[in-house]
Amino acid sequence: DAKTTQPPSMDCAEGRAANLPCNHSTISGNEYVYWYRQIHSQGPQYIIHGLKNNETNEMASLIITEDRKSSTLILPHATLRDTAVYYCIVRVAHSGNTPLVFGKGTRLSVIA
Amino acid sequence: GAGVSQSPSNKVTEKGKDVELRCDPISGHTALYWYRQSLGQGLEFLIYFQGNSAPDKSGLPSDRFSAERTGGSVSTLTIQRTQQEDSAVYLCASSSRVASGGKSTDTQYFGPGTRLTVL
Repeated sequence: DAKTTQPPSMDCAEGRAANLPCNHSTISGNEYVYWYRQIHSQGPQYIIHGLKNNETNEMASLIITEDRKSSTLILPHATLRDTAVYYCIVRVAHSGNTPLVFGKGTRLSVIA
Repeated sequence: GAGVSQSPSNKVTEKGKDVELRCDPISGHTALYWYRQSLGQGLEFLIYFQGNSAPDKSGLPSDRFSAERTGGSVSTLTIQRTQQEDSAVYLCASSSRVASGGKSTDTQYFGPGTRLTVL
């Protein structure tokens, strides 16, 4: 799977939008961008994923650049409960399920 | 419906003892994965099962580690002759391939993990 690059940490004020960047300059045409987060002492939680179009769900929005070399996860109104490590993962979704390859992620701290 | 469950939530054992960790995947999910996360480290893939195919054991760190999945559902991860470096949180995830709106996904859903401490 292609490697990703994320900032090690970010701060965000409560109630503001949190924009978490991810670079994946070597992404292939059949690779998706997945975002997971891990709140302290819990298992990773799926957030969202996309191929080339922007995606939105009840948790977040995913903006993927036209060249697909980078993406941004947006939490529109961050709360203290959004404090977590956020992982951007690029992987192929094909006929066989494959393990996720986690990097170091971005530690997001939401501040009151 | 119910998510992935794991038991026990915490396990403390003495060096040299064997331990078994259990994972109950989401009903109907065909794929099951084991990962571990050592203190301050990222998640490390261990093994995964896909349907009736032979498991991918490429991530197992040594032959002291093994896993089985009975009846295509519950899985047990066994660590023999535990060592202190085996101390970690062991996470299980399951997934099932879904195609929706032209987009294929095999999103993995994780359990809460088992925290293993080897004294």
